[in-house]
Amino acid sequence: ENVLTQSPGTLSLSPGERATLSCRASHSLSSYYLDWYQQRPGQAPRLLIYGTSNRAAGIPDRFSGSGSGTDFTLTISRLEPEDFAVYYCQQCGSSPWTFGQGTTVEIK
Amino acid sequence: QVQLQESGPGLVKPSQTLSLTCGVSGGSISSTDSYWSWIRQPPGKGLEWIGNIHYSGNTYYNPSLKSRLTISIDTSTNHFSLRLTSVTAADTAVFFCARVTYSSGHYYMDVWGNGTTVTVS
Repeated sequence: ENVLTQSPGTLSLSPGERATLSCRASHSLSSYYLDWYQQRPGQAPRLLIYGTSNRAAGIPDRFSGSGSGTDFTLTISRLEPEDFAVYYCQQCGSSPWTFGQGTTVEIK
Repeated sequence: QVQLQESGPGLVKPSQTLSLTCGVSGGSISSTDSYWSWIRQPPGKGLEWIGNIHYSGNTYYNPSLKSRLTISIDTSTNHFSLRLTSVTAADTAVFFCARVTYSSGHYYMDVWGNGTTVTVS
């Protein structure tokens, strides 16, 4: 099983600041198979980034993804109020598909 | 656009079978490039992939649940279903259904249902 470890667990930032979220895989992963999701309280997850760096439809360009091998990053260039949420990375390169434990981005 | 809606009992007794259905509207469940997925989220915790099904009937299960799990699809009614046997309190969760799109070598869950809460008690 490819275990995904996200850090930090919680990120306390102010609107307008830059957020950098990390996702580390226990086994090397093709960049094709790393996705990022946002989940607001009481809502279903929403796809942000697929294949490490491709923004999903309708996702603002302040969201970007990068990485390779075992280390992947989601960056939010300037936080908007609606960006305070939980973010999950997910791999679909090997079974079972797995999610990281999530990073909470909270208002400082 | 495609929308998904989960339905099923909100309360299941221990040792019984949990059954949920996901209705697909606004598109065909028989799309070649789509898979249909179940994901769950225990209260206050993260997401767990349960399994996928393709309209062809091919299934892909999380090994941790495989012995208790059946995912099926009905293309005539555009819905797919989950059946989990011998449930315990550890199966209490919000269950989401989602569409998995396969495109240019990528897989991603781009459409999600709102989720349905199932309590085992």
